[in-house]
Amino acid sequence: DAGVIQSPRHEVTEMGQEVTLRCKPISGHNSLFWYRQTMMRGLELLIYFNNNVPIDDSGMPEDRFSAKMPNASFSTLKIQPSEPRDSAVYFCASIKGQNTGELFFGEGSRLTVL
Amino acid sequence: AQSVTQLGSHVSVSEGALVLLRCNYSSSVPPYLFWYVQYPNQGLQLLLKYTSAATLVKGINGFEAEFKKSETSFHLTKPSAHMSDAAEYFCAVSLNNAGNMLTFGGGTRLMVKP
Repeated sequence: DAGVIQSPRHEVTEMGQEVTLRCKPISGHNSLFWYRQTMMRGLELLIYFNNNVPIDDSGMPEDRFSAKMPNASFSTLKIQPSEPRDSAVYFCASIKGQNTGELFFGEGSRLTVL
Repeated sequence: AQSVTQLGSHVSVSEGALVLLRCNYSSSVPPYLFWYVQYPNQGLQLLLKYTSAATLVKGINGFEAEFKKSETSFHLTKPSAHMSDAAEYFCAVSLNNAGNMLTFGGGTRLMVKP
């Protein structure tokens, strides 16, 4: 079975540019999460979708960040405009129904903002 | 609010030695607790989980963890370290009753010496 698929794996961009990260969850999984990982702050939960609906976005750092899930098989995380402090690895994870805590993570998108 | 604290950002053991990675939790309700492992350039993978059943939980790759309510701890152990165990390990606690919205500790990098 295919796992959680993220793209791009690596992105290098200049400050001020728009960045879009993409995620395809595992088929049949109805919850999706975006996490950010940095050396300084560790793993931070940004936003959580259940059945394509955003449930908790309290971790989204500021208005420059937005996330959508237009259907069960696709989600995007957008940063506009990007800043150097946004440099991090962004992970998407999905989980099926009542499978407590069994998140399946993608391999991450490493973002570098110059 | 639920949180976890991992003591020791780096742990080094010799191959064949006992592995002990420490995690303490803070939770106002009976917690769901998890250990995840991250290998270089990969996403996180679930090692094991505690969901209020047996207090000693066995996971993959010979790891186990014991839930100790009196000590608010959930330490991860393995009797004999293998070189392939070198990775970063994350303790996590659920933020919601469904057990699918997790917050992670800062991580412990395990190094295994030959």
